[in-house]
Amino acid sequence: QTVVTQEPSLTVSPGGTVTLTCASSTGAVTSGYFPNWFQQKPGQAPRALIYSTSNKHSWTPARFSGSLLGGKAALTLSGVQPEDEAEYYCLLYFGDGQIFGGGTKLTVL
Amino acid sequence: EVQLVESGGGLVQPGGSLTLSCAASGFTFSNFWMGWVRQAPGRGLEWVANIRQDGSQKMYVDSVKGRFIISRDNAKNSLYLQMSSLRAEDTALYYCAREIRGVYYDTDVWGQGTTVTVSS
Repeated sequence: QTVVTQEPSLTVSPGGTVTLTCASSTGAVTSGYFPNWFQQKPGQAPRALIYSTSNKHSWTPARFSGSLLGGKAALTLSGVQPEDEAEYYCLLYFGDGQIFGGGTKLTVL
Repeated sequence: EVQLVESGGGLVQPGGSLTLSCAASGFTFSNFWMGWVRQAPGRGLEWVANIRQDGSQKMYVDSVKGRFIISRDNAKNSLYLQMSSLRAEDTALYYCAREIRGVYYDTDVWGQGTTVTVSS
């Protein structure tokens, strides 16, 4: 059974930079898994941030960027704002469906 | 405004059945894959199922295969999830989501969710 793994929690200072990663138990994550990233705040539905590795939605703040890094999908926040404190989920697409990572709780402190 | 509104959640006994609905508006529903994602209380997101634009292809997470059926009615701009043989572990907030598949893969629009509680 395929497992998608994210850091359970990360802490960053306001104005700092942080990178969240997304790994697959099947091996290196490539663009062929079309990594997506979502932000979810308490009591809210998830909000799409990044699709197909590095593409931003019109509503995605410029400080968010997606990439592939060391065999993983990565979400980098540069110039973190207090409102970026949230849970972040990656999503990978496989041939017979898609799988979410377990989520990363990002604390801005 | 692009919008997805789920309904049909509720309390159901183990072994029971329930059908969720998702009403879409603000976009051409028949042009998009659609799916269901759930979130158990205090837990992460879990993809449940999705369906191709014309209903010709459906995919399910292993844990619901044989128990859940995803369907759509493009004339009514609606997505459905028929759930049967429900278990306590199916208790979750169920989200309807729009998917884009092609050159890019994207799950870009989400509803607010409907809650399913399986308990005696």
